[in-house]
Amino acid sequence: DTGVSQNPRHKITKRGQNVTFRCDPISEHNRLYWYRQTLGQGPEFLTYFQNEAQLEKSRLLSDRFSAERPKGSFSTLEIQRTEQGDSAMYLCASSPLGGVTDTQYFGPGTRLTVL
Amino acid sequence: GQQVMQIPQYQHVQEGEDFTTYCNSSTTLSNIQWYKQRPGGHPVFLIQLVKSGEVKKQKRLTFQFGEAKKNSSLHITATQTTDVGTYFCAGPGNNDMRFGAGTRLTVKP
Repeated sequence: DTGVSQNPRHKITKRGQNVTFRCDPISEHNRLYWYRQTLGQGPEFLTYFQNEAQLEKSRLLSDRFSAERPKGSFSTLEIQRTEQGDSAMYLCASSPLGGVTDTQYFGPGTRLTVL
Repeated sequence: GQQVMQIPQYQHVQEGEDFTTYCNSSTTLSNIQWYKQRPGGHPVFLIQLVKSGEVKKQKRLTFQFGEAKKNSSLHITATQTTDVGTYFCAGPGNNDMRFGAGTRLTVKP
């Protein structure tokens, strides 16, 4: 097991286009989180899954954002009609147990640039 | 809503000097976690504190959780160039994890 992986590592897109990112958590981790991080800031919570169920979604997340975790394994985060303000690093993390307080193992992130 | 704040935002030290970053929450926390993010890297878990007044040590790093469980600190003794990075504290919200903005540490050899 090599940890949490994310693809792609970098994505450049034009405003208005849709993008999709993928996260593969550590095997058997049942919790998966998505965060957004901009320069000089800490990770900002977007959403999390326990197995395949999406249990929480930040109120900061617009309707253009959607996440899925089919079969409770990998997850995808889609941004529709991207805007320049969506440019950020999108981080995925997983944790092995059920509580929100568990240690989070982060992936390398996907850096999105919206032109 | 709950806020997690960190100070200072930046700290530049000479190698061998000590370093401390402070974390404050607007609400009582069930626990607090610390992460380190190297330049160009992703956050890496350092430690979790759960008990009121808890103190934990990892080599030159000392972590402390306040008696009221609303504040925490990370102290590094005799910094080295390998300590460079941004240190984040994080506390659980209702159903999420709230990260502070981090303290960016640079070390001059």
